[in-house]
Formats: sequence, structure tokens, C-alpha cells
Amino acid sequence: GGIITQTPKFLIGQEGQKLTLKCQQNFNHDTMYWYRQDSGKGLRLIYYSITENDLQKGDLSEGYDASREKKSSFSLTVTSAQKNEMAVFLCASSIHRAAETLYFGSGTRLTVL
Amino acid sequence: GDSVTQTEGLVTVTEGLPVKLNCTYQTTYLTIAFFWYVQYLNEAPQVLLKSSTDNKRTEHQGFHATLHKSSSSFHLQKSSAQLSDSALYYCALTSSGSWQLIFGSGTQLTVMP
Repeated sequence: GGIITQTPKFLIGQEGQKLTLKCQQNFNHDTMYWYRQDSGKGLRLIYYSITENDLQKGDLSEGYDASREKKSSFSLTVTSAQKNEMAVFLCASSIHRAAETLYFGSGTRLTVL
Repeated sequence: GDSVTQTEGLVTVTEGLPVKLNCTYQTTYLTIAFFWYVQYLNEAPQVLLKSSTDNKRTEHQGFHATLHKSSSSFHLQKSSAQLSDSALYYCALTSSGSWQLIFGSGTQLTVMP
């Protein structure tokens, strides 16, 4: 089996700050995803990547950048943190495309003061 | 585009009684796969069921779901709820329109003793 590791688990930032979340997977999966989880809104896709150095925007990409420099890692940057923002960011991977099962990390919980 | 609707945000059921979580969808594309994901408290979401065949019952861990394309539904059911079933449940689909996994807003299931 494999595992997805997200760092940090908790991230506290200031308004306007640039914040970076990291994700590593050892499944050797091609595709990786970043989702944002908000209570009552489900999981919304921010970015995904089907291979190294590929980036595809999801419905919620505004305000975020992403980077996939290695097959095993996928990072997400909040370009300017919004005051009072609170959310959980989930990283996931799948063998190929989303028709396959997604494997999720445990998440990074963001709080902006 | 694609959308998934979970009408109940919160469902409470007594241990030993049946439970049904509703999921309906809309898409103008060819549907590829349907999923139920479960997220236990402080854990990562994980796949519970997957289906792509119309009118075929899929079962796992005592839960079952049948994809009904005629009514655009993929409801999740269990005949006897257990305390350990308390969790957040997401319905999701992938279609040929986006090849992304689209999630519903989630249903928080609480099983009471």
C-alpha cells in the first residue's frame, strides 16, 4: 500500500500572506489533485495534474497557484490569504484519471488571522 | 456541467435501524463512474463504493447502492446502522465532460445508541 503525506497539518497565516501547502505520495500515481473542503459545500477541485510539470485548473483555482516538479509531489500556494478564512485542503492521487479511485491525504487545516 | 446533489446535510438514525442517504446527479455527458466516499472524524476520505453499471447493486462493508440512470440516482443504504458508521459521506461522479471527480455537498451521518 501507499500513503499520501500532507504538510503541515495545521497552518496559521496572516491576511495577505503567501502560504504553501505540500503533498507527497508514494503510490507512483500519475494524477494528483488539490481539493478544498468547506462545511456544507463538499469537496471542490482547485488544481490537478496528470503528470510531472502538468497543471490543470479546477473550478476554484482563482487565488491559488500549484506546482508539480516531481511525479511524487504536488504543492499548492495560497497567493494572498484572506482574513478569517478557514478551510481544510485535501491532496489526493489516482492511477490515471478521476475514473479511478482517489486516495486522499489527511489534510492541511488553514486558519487566517 | 456536472452536478451532484445530496439533499440531507445531517441524518440521525438509531443503532440497528435502516439508513438511506440520498444522491442524485445531473450531467449532459456520458457518465463514467459513481462513488461514495466516507470520511471518519479526523481522517482522510476513503472510497466506500464504486459503480459504473446501470441497475447493478454494489455492496461493501454492509452498505449498498444501485445506480439508476433512469432516475439519475445513486442512493446509499444500509439495513442496520452501527455506531461506527457515524461519519461524513460524499457522493461523487466522473463524466466524459470533465474527467474530474465532482462531489456532492456531503451528508453527516450520526448513529445514536
